[in-house]
Amino acid sequence: EDKVVQSPLSLVVHEGDTVTLNCSYEVTNFRSLLWYKQEKKAPTFLFMLTSSGIEKKSGRLSSILDKKELSSILNITATQTGDSAIYLCAGSAQKLVFGQGTRLTINP
Amino acid sequence: EAQVTQNPRYLITVTGKKLTVTCSQNMNHEYMSWYRQDPGLGLRQIYYSMNVEVTDKGDVPEGYKVSRKEKRNFPLILESPSPNQTSLYFCASSSTRGQGPYQPQHFGDGTRLSIL
Repeated sequence: EDKVVQSPLSLVVHEGDTVTLNCSYEVTNFRSLLWYKQEKKAPTFLFMLTSSGIEKKSGRLSSILDKKELSSILNITATQTGDSAIYLCAGSAQKLVFGQGTRLTINP
Repeated sequence: EAQVTQNPRYLITVTGKKLTVTCSQNMNHEYMSWYRQDPGLGLRQIYYSMNVEVTDKGDVPEGYKVSRKEKRNFPLILESPSPNQTSLYFCASSSTRGQGPYQPQHFGDGTRLSIL
């Protein structure tokens, strides 16, 4: 059975800290790994990773895929209160399999 | 504006009363999908559709039906809703460029269903 597992499930840090969110996957016919940020409403797309070892970066956020370890990490540097959200990762094949999400809280 | 539109946004209803949640996208996407989101369980796929008249079960299809008669619409039908279907539902769409949802999904704003 396909599955995606995220850790930690919940994380509370202070503004300015750096955080690393983890995602491991077992997805048949895996094609790509996607990260989404969910605040109050719908998930919004952050990154799509298809190649191992190539970092994708957007401002203070970055992510990398390790196909050998079947995992991915999402890094956020110099966190701000606006980064507080649920971060979801998903493995893509014929369907999309989501992890449980990591609830990140940034305290001022 | 590119968007996925779900209706209704909120619904409180009673056990056994058939309901339909509509989903429409204006991006000419081939792939559409329904998810439910419950605390601690993330997003779980209910049904998906690769194109018109092509639908398939996701991970939690029991108690739900879908249809894809037109490319832009993908309604979710609960024939006889039960309290365990109380949840937050998302519709999403993406281009396929091949055989799967290999492009990022665009999500609707969600429908919060309460079945009493």
